[in-house]
Amino acid sequence: EIALTQSPGTLSFSPGERATLSCRTSQKLNSNKLAWYQQKPGQAPRLLIYDASSRATGIPDRFSGSGSGTDFTLTISSLEPEDFAVYFCQHYGTSWAFGQGTKVEIK
Amino acid sequence: QVQLVQSGSELKKPGASVKVSCQASGYTFTKYSINWVRQAPGQGLEWMGWIHTNTGNPTYAQGFTGRFVFSLDTSISTAYLHISSLKPEDTAMYYCVRFDLKPDSWGQGALVTVSS
Repeated sequence: EIALTQSPGTLSFSPGERATLSCRTSQKLNSNKLAWYQQKPGQAPRLLIYDASSRATGIPDRFSGSGSGTDFTLTISSLEPEDFAVYFCQHYGTSWAFGQGTKVEIK
Repeated sequence: QVQLVQSGSELKKPGASVKVSCQASGYTFTKYSINWVRQAPGQGLEWMGWIHTNTGNPTYAQGFTGRFVFSLDTSISTAYLHISSLKPEDTAMYYCVRFDLKPDSWGQGALVTVSS
């Protein structure tokens, strides 16, 4: 089974800064079936990025995904106040697996 | 638009059972599988498995065999998660998720609390 590692667990930024979040998989993803989600307290996860780099419907273009193989990145080009939340990565092959999440907090 | 609406919060005693529903609208229910994801309080996301909405065939992830059962009622576009012999550690939010080449739509979640 593929395991996903997100580190660090918490990142601190000021609004307007660029945020780069990391997700590493334990095996190479040949099909780039990797997604990123944003989750705020009391809410369901919201799909941001799928297939490693495709933006989901309605997602602002300040969110972008990149990477291949075992190393993937979510970039938020300029943090807005509403972007402070927890972000999860996910592999969705024949089975699913999630990273443990990275909290993006206000510095 | 695609919507998955889940049943409400449940408070159950240890040993009881619970059935969580997930009603789909805005698309043809039998065209896309439904996955189930668990999130314990303050924790990450765990994949529980999925059900093929055309055949009703379920697949359970490791750790979710035996007490967990996925089922369907296609006449009302609804998927169900049944958990038996509840334990306090089953306390969690349970999400249903539609899979259309990607996990694109999530229900709002159903909170199950197991406490004596």
